[in-house]
Amino acid sequence: AQTVTQSQPEMSVQEAETVTLSCTYDTSESNYYLFWYKQPPSRQMILVIRQEAYKQQNATENRFSVNFQKAAKSFSLKISDSQLGDTAMYFCALMEAIQGAQKLVFGQGTRLTINP
Amino acid sequence: SAVISQKPSRDICQRGTSLTIQCQVDSQVTMMFWYRQQPGQSLTLIATANQGSEATYESGFVIDKFPISRPNLTFSTLTVSNMSPEDSSIYLCSVVPFRGPYTEAFFGQGTRLTVV
Repeated sequence: AQTVTQSQPEMSVQEAETVTLSCTYDTSESNYYLFWYKQPPSRQMILVIRQEAYKQQNATENRFSVNFQKAAKSFSLKISDSQLGDTAMYFCALMEAIQGAQKLVFGQGTRLTINP
Repeated sequence: SAVISQKPSRDICQRGTSLTIQCQVDSQVTMMFWYRQQPGQSLTLIATANQGSEATYESGFVIDKFPISRPNLTFSTLTVSNMSPEDSSIYLCSVVPFRGPYTEAFFGQGTRLTVV
C-alpha cells in the first residue's frame, strides 16, 4: 500500500524568507502523481503544485518549486519569498495512476506560519 | 477544472441521529471520493463513490455507518449514521474529472460536523 510521510508537524519563518517542506513516499507503482495541497483556515483544499513521476524535470509554479528525487522517493516543496498569505496547512499527497483507483493518499501535514 | 458545491457547510447534530451531505459537480467526473478530516489531522479516505454500483470502502469504514449514493456522474451523497461525538470532523468531497493523461483532484469546501 502507498504511504506518504511528512516529518515536520510545524514550521515558522519570517516573511520574504525561503522555506522547504519535506515529504517522503512509498509506492510499488512506476507511474504516479505527487501533489502539494494547501489548506488555509477556510478549509478549502488548494492545489499548489503537481509532479508527474515520469517527468524528470522538477515542477515550478511561480514562487513554488519541488525537488523530486524519484530513487529516494522524496518530494520536497520550496516556497521562495514567503508571504503572509502562505500561512496554512500543507499536505503532500500521492495518486497512483491506476485506472479506476485514482485516490489520493495524504501525509500528516505541516502547519506553516509566516511571521511579519 | 471542476466546481464542487458541498452542502451543508456546517451542522451541529444530536448523537444518535444521521446527517446526509451532498456533493454536486458542475461537470461529469470519473471518480468521486469522500474524505474525513478529524480535528488537527490529515485527510483519510472513507470510500470511492461508484456510479451505478455500491461504493468501495476503505479499511475501517463500513456501509452501515457511512452509506453513499451516486445516482449519476455529477452528484453523490454521504450519510453519517447513528452519530456519536467521535464523528465530529470535517467531511470533504473530492472529484477527479474526465481527462487524458492529466490528472488532478478537486475538493469541495467541506462540511464541518459537530456531534453533541
